[in-house]
Amino acid sequence: RKEVEQDPGPFNVPEGATVAFNCTYSNSASQSFFWYRQDCRKEPKLLMSVYSSGNEDGRFTAQLNRASQYISLLIRDSKLSDSATYLCVVTIDNNDMRFGAGTRLTVKP
Amino acid sequence: DAGVTQSPTHLIKTRGQQVTLRCSPKSGHDTVSWYQQALGQGPQFIFQYYEEEERQRGNFPDRFSGHQFPNYSSELNVNALLLGDSALYLCASSPGQGWGYTFGSGTRLTVV
Repeated sequence: RKEVEQDPGPFNVPEGATVAFNCTYSNSASQSFFWYRQDCRKEPKLLMSVYSSGNEDGRFTAQLNRASQYISLLIRDSKLSDSATYLCVVTIDNNDMRFGAGTRLTVKP
Repeated sequence: DAGVTQSPTHLIKTRGQQVTLRCSPKSGHDTVSWYQQALGQGPQFIFQYYEEEERQRGNFPDRFSGHQFPNYSSELNVNALLLGDSALYLCASSPGQGWGYTFGSGTRLTVV
């Protein structure tokens, strides 16, 4: 089993749609959780951290369920500029980050 | 304030050769991590350097080695290159313990 597993995608949605990505992790000792965004042929960039209480940043909402070892990202009112690959990331002991394979999102006009 | 800088940006090597990739961390960061990202995959952790020592290592063979210098910059060395080593190699720096990773734009290595 992979350490971090994500929806295989790709997701192709129209502008204005709501889209949700799911992620599961295998190590119950995982401490920190993040969503990163990666544009084509670019480096990953931090989108948002994920907290147990859930957190929101504009159109983006992240949720964490430690009991189920599950993380989600919800994007509301999708924009063309949201097209990218979204990477789920967990850290074990703050020494290294483990990435999922990523889910590609394409938002179409 | 310079972010993470990596060099070179692109590199083509022949199978069996050796390669050295370089990374300068973001100002104020003392920890450097290296990742390999194959096409269509997420970044895979290679190793992390802190205080000039390898602190953590992922599931990569000994052909992959590294070094960190007193100024916190780092090198990734790969010996006996294989075709499967072709990938984007990413360096990320962070301020010691905890999160706040910043990635460089990567070095794209092609092995032919």
